[in-house]
Amino acid sequence: RKEVEQDPGPFNVPEGATVAFNCTYSNSASQSFFWYRQDCRKEPKLLMSVYSSGNEDGRFTAQLNRASQYISLLIRDSKLSDSATYLCVVNQAGTALIFGKGTTLSVSS
Amino acid sequence: DAEITQSPRHKIIETGRQVTLACHQTWNHNNMFWYRQDLGHGLRLIHYSYGVHDTNKGEVSDGYSVSRSNTEDLPLTLESAASSQTSVYFCASRGAGTDTEAFFGQGTRLTVV
Repeated sequence: RKEVEQDPGPFNVPEGATVAFNCTYSNSASQSFFWYRQDCRKEPKLLMSVYSSGNEDGRFTAQLNRASQYISLLIRDSKLSDSATYLCVVNQAGTALIFGKGTTLSVSS
Repeated sequence: DAEITQSPRHKIIETGRQVTLACHQTWNHNNMFWYRQDLGHGLRLIHYSYGVHDTNKGEVSDGYSVSRSNTEDLPLTLESAASSQTSVYFCASRGAGTDTEAFFGQGTRLTVV
């Protein structure tokens, strides 16, 4: 079983839609969690960290459920510029980050 | 501004040749990482280093080596390139702590023919 699993999509949504991505991780000792964004042929960039209490950054909301080993990302009022691949990322021991395969989002007008 | 750079950005080499991909960061981060990204696999960890003279194997380390002689650089060497090593390679660096952001280089597209 892969350490970090995501639905690869693609998710095709119209502008203004709300879309949710889910991710599960296998190692219960995982310490910290992130969502990264990757545009086509570019390097990944941090979108937001994920905290147990849940956190929000504008239109983006991240949730973590440690008991279920589950992470989510909610995007409200989708914009064309949100089209990208969203990577679920987990930090286990040390500082090496483990990436899911990514979920592709395409927002259309 | 601090940054992380990779070179070359594109490289084509013949099977069996040795090649070294460079990664240089000016963040003064102790932690540096090499990943490869392939369709259907996402980003997979090759090697990583927590400081000078420290190196560790990642998930897909066979056929690759790294060395860390200073804080700024973590070169990745393919000793005898194979077609299966055709990929996009990303270098990253990260500060101390488990909740810090990782910064990635722009990637090196390597083709082994």
